[in-house]
This record gives sequence, C-alpha cells and structure tokens, in this order.
Amino acid sequence: NFLLTQPHSVSESPGKTVTISCTRSIGSVASNHVQWYKQRPGSSPTTVIYEDNQRPSGVPDRFSGSIDSSSNSASLTISGLKTEDEADYYCQSYDGSNHYVFGSGTKVTVL
Amino acid sequence: EVQLVQSGAEVRKPGAAVKISCKVSGYIFIDHYIHWVQQAPGKGLKWMGLVDPEDGKGIYAETFQGRVTMTADRSTDTAYMELTRLTSDDTAVYYCTTARSGGGLEILMYYWGQGTLVSVSS
Repeated sequence: NFLLTQPHSVSESPGKTVTISCTRSIGSVASNHVQWYKQRPGSSPTTVIYEDNQRPSGVPDRFSGSIDSSSNSASLTISGLKTEDEADYYCQSYDGSNHYVFGSGTKVTVL
Repeated sequence: EVQLVQSGAEVRKPGAAVKISCKVSGYIFIDHYIHWVQQAPGKGLKWMGLVDPEDGKGIYAETFQGRVTMTADRSTDTAYMELTRLTSDDTAVYYCTTARSGGGLEILMYYWGQGTLVSVSS
C-alpha cells in the first residue's frame, strides 16, 4: 500500500500564507483524488478540500488545493491566516482497490 | 439533516473484543459506504476499512485484517465495527464517516460521527 507524507508542523503569523505538502509514496498522486481535513482538539474532522481542489460550501476561499505530478504531491494552501485556522490538517487519498490512506498530519500554529 | 450517532465509550481488557455502532439518519443508508477511522491519543487518523450497506461487504486495511469486521443493518440504518483481540495499542477514538452527495457531486468522508472512545487496560 502507499503512504502520504506530510510535514509534522508549520507555523506562521496571522495574515500570512502557509502551504502543507502531501507526498504520495507509490502510484501517481494524479490517479486518485486527494481530500484535506481539518481537525481541532476534541472534535471530529471536517472537509476543507475534496477532489484535489474543490471547496465544500462554507469553506472560505482562503483555502485552496492543488496537485503536482512532478513531485507526486498534493498541497493545501491557507492564505490570510487566522487564529481559527490553528488545527491539525490531514490529506487523504485512495487506490484502485478501494483502500484509503490518511496522511501523517500537520499541525498548523498561528503565531 | 444528516447525522451519524455513535455508541458510547467502552472499556475492555486485553484480549477482549468491542463492537461499536453508528446509526445514520437524513439520507438513504445504502447510497454510501460507511468508513471507520481510528485515532489513538495524540496520534493521526488511520483508515480501518469500509462497509457497503447495500450488500454488506467489507474492505479492510491490511493492519486490521483478521481482527476487524464491519457490518450494516439495513433494517435499522446502523453500521457496526467489531474489533477483536484488543491490545493497549487499540486504545483510541473510533469514528464512522460517510459521503455527502447531491447536485452531481460526491464528497468522500464528509459526515462524521462524534467518535467513540475505546480504552483497553488490564
């Protein structure tokens, strides 16, 4: 099976931009959609990006997703950082046999 | 309104089994898979597997293969996850989750249960 590797943590000041990478170990990142979830302590995860770059209704357009085949990675970018964005973020994808994988998770700290 | 309501916290001894329920409402039960996700204290999310409520078939992550069984009861719109031969490593919050669809789109793992804490200790 494949792995999705994320940086352990990122931090930035309010109003700035952070980008979280998610690198797929085996298989092409472009072959199966990537989702991104936000999780605050004690709460269930919520979807911030689905199908690589789509935002569910209610998610601010400060959140954007992309994939890069050259690095076999997906990325989540949060611009105009706010204190409410402080949370753990997980990428997620799947393979052709309906097996799903979550990334290792990234803690976003707003300084 | 879609809701996934899970059963309450459980305490088990090593070697025992636990069965958690996830009752859904607000959508047609057989329309979407139910996934189960494990989160150990201070750790990340780990996909355990899924059950297709339409035919009851399960697909399991290799890590849990042989110890986990996921089922679905169409008469009560309830999914179940049973984990056997528990060890302290299974102490975790377990979530059920399902997709949101409509308007031509489907968003995987959009709706989540509140989580069920399972503690394994002698």
